[in-house]
Amino acid sequence: DQQVKQNSPSLSVQEGRISILNCDYTNSMFDYFLWYKKYPAEGPTFLISISSIKDKNEDGRFTVFLNKSAKHLSLHIVPSQPGDSAVYFCAAISNPGNQFYFGTGTSLTVIP
Amino acid sequence: GAGVSQSPSNKVTEKGKDVELRCDPISGHTALYWYRQSLGQGLEFLIYFQGNSAPDKSGLPSDRFSAERTGGSVSTLTIQRTQQEDSAVYLCASSLLAGLSGANVLTFGAGSRLTVL
Repeated sequence: DQQVKQNSPSLSVQEGRISILNCDYTNSMFDYFLWYKKYPAEGPTFLISISSIKDKNEDGRFTVFLNKSAKHLSLHIVPSQPGDSAVYFCAAISNPGNQFYFGTGTSLTVIP
Repeated sequence: GAGVSQSPSNKVTEKGKDVELRCDPISGHTALYWYRQSLGQGLEFLIYFQGNSAPDKSGLPSDRFSAERTGGSVSTLTIQRTQQEDSAVYLCASSLLAGLSGANVLTFGAGSRLTVL
């Protein structure tokens, strides 16, 4: 049973535009959320996170929004750059349990 | 080391053979996780170790899979009698704390790609 879902397997965006990657979750016990970025033949790398007590966290071009009532989070990248082309995984940490739950990933392509 | 190191990076084996995958976490990281990513799939949790506590094995798909972590550092994932459906990238990750804090992020290795013929 997939507790973290990324319903869009792929997304293409023009360079300079905004990329919006979406993630939905089912478990209300999740209280920390993270986004990871993965290039081919490499392990995922941490990008940005947000605590469930917040609704927004911003780091440079990357902003994560959390809507707890909708059990939805999104990652905004603006402006998008070709180097942002990668697979993005959404993850949630359970409480209790200390377990990381990952979505299936969204492959982002930024077109120059 | 500076990062999480995994070996081998690629392994091709015949169905029915046993394989061992190794993970060397970041020094001082108390938590270690194994995940796998099959083609077109997300990251599937397999097992995690936290300090001296009993590991959480709830993600292991069958009793052919086992893992150990010796001395709280290096971990080995063993797959016995491999099947073609075991083909995947096996990812190891470590973190400083298996807890809930802004510092609790996983650092992943580059993965071991297993191909079972």
